[in-house]
Amino acid sequence: DSGVTQTPKHLITATGQRVTLRCSPRSGDLSVYWYQQSLDQGLQFLIQYYNGEERAKGNILERFSAQQFPDLHSELNLSSLELGDSALYFCASSVALGTYEQYFGPGTRLTVT
Amino acid sequence: AQSVAQPEDQVNVAEGNPLTVKCTYSVSGNPYLFWYVQYPNRGLQFLLKYITGDNLVKGSYGFEAEFNKSQTSFHLKKPSALVSDSALYFCAVRGNTGFQKLVFGTGTRLLVSP
Repeated sequence: DSGVTQTPKHLITATGQRVTLRCSPRSGDLSVYWYQQSLDQGLQFLIQYYNGEERAKGNILERFSAQQFPDLHSELNLSSLELGDSALYFCASSVALGTYEQYFGPGTRLTVT
Repeated sequence: AQSVAQPEDQVNVAEGNPLTVKCTYSVSGNPYLFWYVQYPNRGLQFLLKYITGDNLVKGSYGFEAEFNKSQTSFHLKKPSALVSDSALYFCAVRGNTGFQKLVFGTGTRLLVSP
């Protein structure tokens, strides 16, 4: 158990809908990362937050947004969902910026029908 | 831009034999290198990292990796494989200047047979 929690574990929704994925980092970790894992794209970095502020963006679609709250938990919002958004979404956390290793949560499996 | 190549989709090894999972990288400046393992329906677990110093890095579960700057490689090794090592292994790299995202390879499936 990495100490990173994600809810829900599974999510099934229809195209055009909006969902929110939630992540709680390990105790003491200030940095949160979101990744998307799919069969065709592999593991893709989406976005990073550090102590409530956005620090870096990766391959994140404009339909997707995220935030990190004062208690350091983070939410990833996915809207106008398409079939191609079906994937595993992972949250990871690290102590700080820099070279620190990231600890991954168990993921949320999103299925868009 | 940094990149990682894992040339083997799958590696098969018999239990008790040594294993190697290959990784080569491309990055500006000095690399920070990581290995992660993913078991079915689980998140990625950190195994080990190379930041600087000794080229041979020891990690969790008896795994180690050797950093080779001239060959831009960071192969994962274990002297004696276990059936329970069967999983998906990811190599990842980032550069050492400013913020650079962690770039993952496509993964190598390790299958250890009894």
